[in-house]
Amino acid sequence: DVKVTQSSRYLVKRTGEKVFLECVQDMDHENMFWYRQDPGLGLRLIYFSYDVKMKEKGDIPEGYSVSREKKERFSLILESASTNQTSMYLCATARAPLGYTFGSGTRLTVV
Amino acid sequence: DAKTTQPPSMDCAEGRAANLPCNHSTISGNEYVYWYRQIHSQGPQYIIHGLKNNETNEMASLIITEDRKSSTLILPHATLRDTAVYYCIASSNSGYALNFGKGTSLLVTP
Repeated sequence: DVKVTQSSRYLVKRTGEKVFLECVQDMDHENMFWYRQDPGLGLRLIYFSYDVKMKEKGDIPEGYSVSREKKERFSLILESASTNQTSMYLCATARAPLGYTFGSGTRLTVV
Repeated sequence: DAKTTQPPSMDCAEGRAANLPCNHSTISGNEYVYWYRQIHSQGPQYIIHGLKNNETNEMASLIITEDRKSSTLILPHATLRDTAVYYCIASSNSGYALNFGKGTSLLVTP
């Protein structure tokens, strides 16, 4: 089975800290994605990547950046964490026609 | 990708069939209909997809209307573990960035 591993299940950080959320997949998929999920707002796409070194902005990229140095790893970076970035963060990998496989999520709290 | 419209919430009694509707009136000929579900505090999980024929797997059935403007996901015998948010997505390539929207929150009651 495809496995998508997010490094932390729960994370608490302070305002202004630089935060790294790591995601690793073991199925050699080119496509990887970062979403955030907030009550009442559904899943919103932050960034995605269709290849190593490649990255594209999603619907809500402000305040975030990403890194894809290796095919299996896609990192989401909060340059200076703020309280409005408190959320559930979900990483996913995908290949057609099978679709998406998501990680278990990281619940980030910024205090 | 075509926009999809789903009711925000639905209830279903345990053991009964749950029929979750999705409207995709602007779907194009090369777009599939995908269904995912998300159980609380987990990432969404793929359920089923189809182009124009009805599809069935061990999890659910997908009925797509002849004009392809709408579809229905059927959970034939809903259990309490089927309580989740269900997302309907229309896309020509399931490997690309998808807009999951808000989905339908299904509550299965005893």
